[in-house]
Amino acid sequence: DAKTTQPTSMDCAEGRAANLPCNHSTISGNEYVYWYRQIHSQGPQYIIHGLKNNETNEMASLIITEDRKSSTLILPHATLRDTAVYYCIVRVPGTYKYIFGTGTRLKVLA
Amino acid sequence: EAGVAQSPRYKIIEKRQSVAFWCNPISGHATLYWYQQILGQGPKLLIQFQNNGVVDDSQLPKDRFSAERLKGVDSTLKIQPAKLEDSAVYLCASSLTRGSIQETQYFGPGTRLLVL
Repeated sequence: DAKTTQPTSMDCAEGRAANLPCNHSTISGNEYVYWYRQIHSQGPQYIIHGLKNNETNEMASLIITEDRKSSTLILPHATLRDTAVYYCIVRVPGTYKYIFGTGTRLKVLA
Repeated sequence: EAGVAQSPRYKIIEKRQSVAFWCNPISGHATLYWYQQILGQGPKLLIQFQNNGVVDDSQLPKDRFSAERLKGVDSTLKIQPAKLEDSAVYLCASSLTRGSIQETQYFGPGTRLLVL
C-alpha cells in the first residue's frame, strides 16, 4: 500500500510561514497527494490536493517535487488557529481508500 | 451546504455492552466511510459503502462490529459486545463518487467512545 512519512511535530511562530514536509516515495503515477488537518476534538478537514503541479487555494499552497516523491504544504502566515495535526495522504491505487499516517503536530507559537 | 452529521458526540459504556453510532452524509454523496481513530494515531478505515453496498470491509472486526446503510443515505455502526480496546473516536466521512481520481472525502465531527 502507498504510504507517507512526516515529521512527528513542528513549531512555527505566529505570522511566519509554516512548511510541512511529506515523503511519499512509493506514490503511483496517477495518484494525487491530499492534505488534511485535524484540530483537537474535530474531524479531519480537507486542505488541498495535487498531482504534479504546484497548487494554491485560500488555505494553503502545495509544492510537489518533479519526481513526485515528496511534497510540502505551506501555510503562508500561520495563526494560532492553525495549531493542529496535519496529515499527508495518498490513496491505495485504484481505490478511494485513504491511508493516514500519524501526521505532523504543528504548534503555532504566539 | 450542510456537512456530515454524526451522533452522539460522546458515549461512555461498560465493556460487553452494545453501542450504536449514526451518520448522515452530505446530501447527494454516494460513498460513505467509517473510520476508527485511536488516541495518537491517524484514522483507520473500517468500512466503505457505495450507495447501500459494501465496497471494502477488510479491516472491520466482524465478530463484534457491524454496519449498514439502508436506502443508500444514513448509516449506523454497531459494536456488540464492546471491549476496552474499542475506546476511540469513530469518524464518518462521505464523498461524491463520480469516478474522478480527485475524489475528496469530507469528515464529520466524530463520536468519542469510552469503554470502561
